[in-house]
Amino acid sequence: KAGVTQTPRYLIKTRGQQVTLSCSPISGHRSVSWYQQTPGQGLQFLFEYFSETQRNKGNFPGRFSGRQFSNSRSEMNVSTLELGDSALYLCASSRGIPGNTIYFGEGSWLTVV
Amino acid sequence: AQSVTQLDSQVPVFEEAPVELRCNYSSSVSVYLFWYVQYPNQGLQLLLKYLSGSTLVKGINGFEAEFNKSQTSFHLRKPSVHISDTAEYFCAVNRNSGGSNYKLTFGKGTLLTVNP
Repeated sequence: KAGVTQTPRYLIKTRGQQVTLSCSPISGHRSVSWYQQTPGQGLQFLFEYFSETQRNKGNFPGRFSGRQFSNSRSEMNVSTLELGDSALYLCASSRGIPGNTIYFGEGSWLTVV
Repeated sequence: AQSVTQLDSQVPVFEEAPVELRCNYSSSVSVYLFWYVQYPNQGLQLLLKYLSGSTLVKGINGFEAEFNKSQTSFHLRKPSVHISDTAEYFCAVNRNSGGSNYKLTFGKGTLLTVNP
């Protein structure tokens, strides 16, 4: 059974650019969530989608957005990149019921220069 | 809102010694509790979780954790660690009702370093 797949794994962007990260959940999982991991702030929740609807959103500026497609695949976008956006972005999937195991991908390393 | 405190940012131990990684949480509602492990340059892997029932939960790789409701703690233990257990460990909570129950709130992590 394939795990959560994230692409790209590594990328470097310039301040002011925008970036799109992609996530394919485990087959049968309808919930996809995104987390940002930095040394200073740790793991912070960005948003969660279930059946193409955003159910929950973390405390991030509007530059961070996401969407989910009918096949449960998800993308997140960050516009007008800032140096502080440099982080590991983790995608996770589950069946979407509280208590269900949430499985994480290996992440996308974003460096903003 | 929920919060999670991992009391030790770093824990060095010798191989084959026992270890306890401490986690306390704060929440006004009932929660589910999780421990994840992160190896270098990898994502998070679930070690174990507590939903209900027995307060002693056994997980993968010989780890176990005990839920203590009165002390709002969920400490992770292993009786004998290996070099390969060197990693960062995260405690997390997920409220089991209400509108924000689709996210995990994580602690800051504990770096476990196992020395030969």
